[in-house]
Amino acid sequence: GAVVSQHPSWVICKSGTSVKIECRSLDFQATTMFWYRQFPKQSLMLMATSNEGSKATYEQGVEKDKFLINHASLTLSTLTVTSAHPEDSSFYICSAQRGSQGREQYFGPGTRLTVT
Amino acid sequence: GQQLNQSPQSMFIQEGEDVSMNCTSSSIFNTWLWYKQDPGEGPVLLIALYKAGELTSNGRLTAQFGITRKDSFLNISASIPSDVGIYFCAGQLETSYDKVIFGPGTSLSVIP
Repeated sequence: GAVVSQHPSWVICKSGTSVKIECRSLDFQATTMFWYRQFPKQSLMLMATSNEGSKATYEQGVEKDKFLINHASLTLSTLTVTSAHPEDSSFYICSAQRGSQGREQYFGPGTRLTVT
Repeated sequence: GQQLNQSPQSMFIQEGEDVSMNCTSSSIFNTWLWYKQDPGEGPVLLIALYKAGELTSNGRLTAQFGITRKDSFLNISASIPSDVGIYFCAGQLETSYDKVIFGPGTSLSVIP
């Protein structure tokens, strides 16, 4: 159990367009999901915490109007990168929190975004 | 800013050798997590630790939650080529229960 999927696995888009990335918990419900960004050879940086039915909580320095997060159900959170620019090119990874105590997080396989 | 330190940054070992890496912080953590990440994939949870002093094994992997709650180590015994990857320690701060903070990672290379 504890499988998290992401779609798409990779995407190339033109500068100025928007891209939506989906994160799904396949075999458990997740009231909380997290979105991370990872640049090459670097660690994961938390962007925002996504709570089902409420607004996301963004980390300092992350533009909430640029990275729109929607957690519409207990198994789905989406991240939309709006008006993408080349500097937004990165590996975006989501995680889903299993359990009410919030101690176990399981990660999706990641989405490689390239903005040209 | 960065709240977790991992050492070593990278290591090259011979197949069959044991490996030890650790993670330290100036902050107190409620949970320590060890993940492995292969290139182009998401991190995979290896071991989760919930109590100070806890020692937990998962096959050839053993990890401990430091008594001070500010550190943790991960040992890999009898390394094999598929152990190659980036190992991240991560933790949940005492002050922010849900958020997981990642260390910078340890890159492990195993020479057959």
